[in-house]
Amino acid sequence: GENVEQHPSTLSVQEGDSAVIKCTYSDSASNYFPWYKQELGKRPQLIIDIRSNVGEKKDQRIAVTLNKTAKHFSLHITETQPEDSAVYFCAATDYKLSFGAGTTVTVRA
Amino acid sequence: GAVVSQHPSRVICKSGTSVKIECRSLDFQATTMFWYRQFPKQSLMLMATSNEGSKATYEQGVEKDKFLINHASLTLSTLTVTSAHPEDSSFYICSARDDGGRFSPLHFGNGTRLTVT
Repeated sequence: GENVEQHPSTLSVQEGDSAVIKCTYSDSASNYFPWYKQELGKRPQLIIDIRSNVGEKKDQRIAVTLNKTAKHFSLHITETQPEDSAVYFCAATDYKLSFGAGTTVTVRA
Repeated sequence: GAVVSQHPSRVICKSGTSVKIECRSLDFQATTMFWYRQFPKQSLMLMATSNEGSKATYEQGVEKDKFLINHASLTLSTLTVTSAHPEDSSFYICSARDDGGRFSPLHFGNGTRLTVT
């Protein structure tokens, strides 16, 4: 099955700075890569996703890049704000979604 | 947008009893639903894939006789934790993908916090 590794496990940034989270996956058949944000006690919320036929996608302050050859993808958050503090999960799928271990992001005011 | 409703949101039960969790897709059809389990400060672990009209597919290490899954319609899947024990205490989350295709995003329910005393 798919194995998704995510780094770092924790990330502390100053408000206004950028945050980058990196993930690798093992199954070359995976073709859809969503990113989720989860606040304490709540369900994961999809924040951005990318398909295997696209190398980069941006939505306001959030961007995701995908390198299929190297089997890694990254989440970039620019101009971070305190409300960006949460746990972020990357995931990869061909059919069943496999999640990374998560990154706890703390934005310091 | 697509909504997945999950009930109950919280349940406390005694050891040895069974608990049923419902997952409904409110405005789309879902031939397949997925059940995840999440321990505190950990990732979501896929337990099983629920298939409408057929048997669920369980991930390795998940006891199918303990976690009974029924997907009776295109909008409803249920997970029953049988003979619950304290180690079954966890956050259970269902998800569903619009039958529009595998590139469709997964929509998650609000989760069920199960506490077994």
